[in-house]
Amino acid sequence: DTEVTQTPKHLVMGMTNKKSLKCEQHMGHRAMYWYKQKAKKPPELMFVYSYEKLSINESVPSRFSPECPNSSLLNLHLHALQPEDSALYLCASSQERPGNQPQHFGDGTRLSIL
Amino acid sequence: QKEVEQDPGPLSVPEGAIVSLNCTYSNSAFQYFMWYRQYSRKGPELLMYTYSSGNKEDGRFTAQVDKSSKYISLFIRDSQPSDSATYLCATFSGGGNKLTFGTGTQLKVEL
Repeated sequence: DTEVTQTPKHLVMGMTNKKSLKCEQHMGHRAMYWYKQKAKKPPELMFVYSYEKLSINESVPSRFSPECPNSSLLNLHLHALQPEDSALYLCASSQERPGNQPQHFGDGTRLSIL
Repeated sequence: QKEVEQDPGPLSVPEGAIVSLNCTYSNSAFQYFMWYRQYSRKGPELLMYTYSSGNKEDGRFTAQVDKSSKYISLFIRDSQPSDSATYLCATFSGGGNKLTFGTGTQLKVEL
């Protein structure tokens, strides 16, 4: 079992639905990340939160909206997604200081857009 | 040119073989290197984390960094069927929070 917990494990939604992905870690990490991974490809960074503030947005479409309610929780709100958004969405966390700390991943949410 | 290059495989070896997985990188400023293992339908699991050049050993796994040739390797001794997975090399680029991954090498260890 990983120390980064993601829910739900699977999600099927229509293009007009609104849903949220959740991520939780209790390692005391102050940096949290969202990644998108397509089949047979490496993870692609979407967002980085540092001390609960958004520090990096990799030009992600506004239909993806991240939120960090506290240092242990990270959400990704989804609205009006497209079929090409079907993928594995991974959450990760790391210590913020010192820099260049390894990231620890959850098992992801497998998202299918109908 | 991609920042991190990795042979995608697939690589198939018999049980008990020594496996060598390799990546090259383009930026000599990279200093921290990681290897992740990803099983099907799971998230990447951190295997090794190394800094600068040299070797690091953990059980059956050895990570090697050669900064002079910008080459990183992961060796798996006495490979087992449970080692069958995709192995991703990674380094930090653009500051300490951005991980850049290789494309991943799919490994199959056969009985």
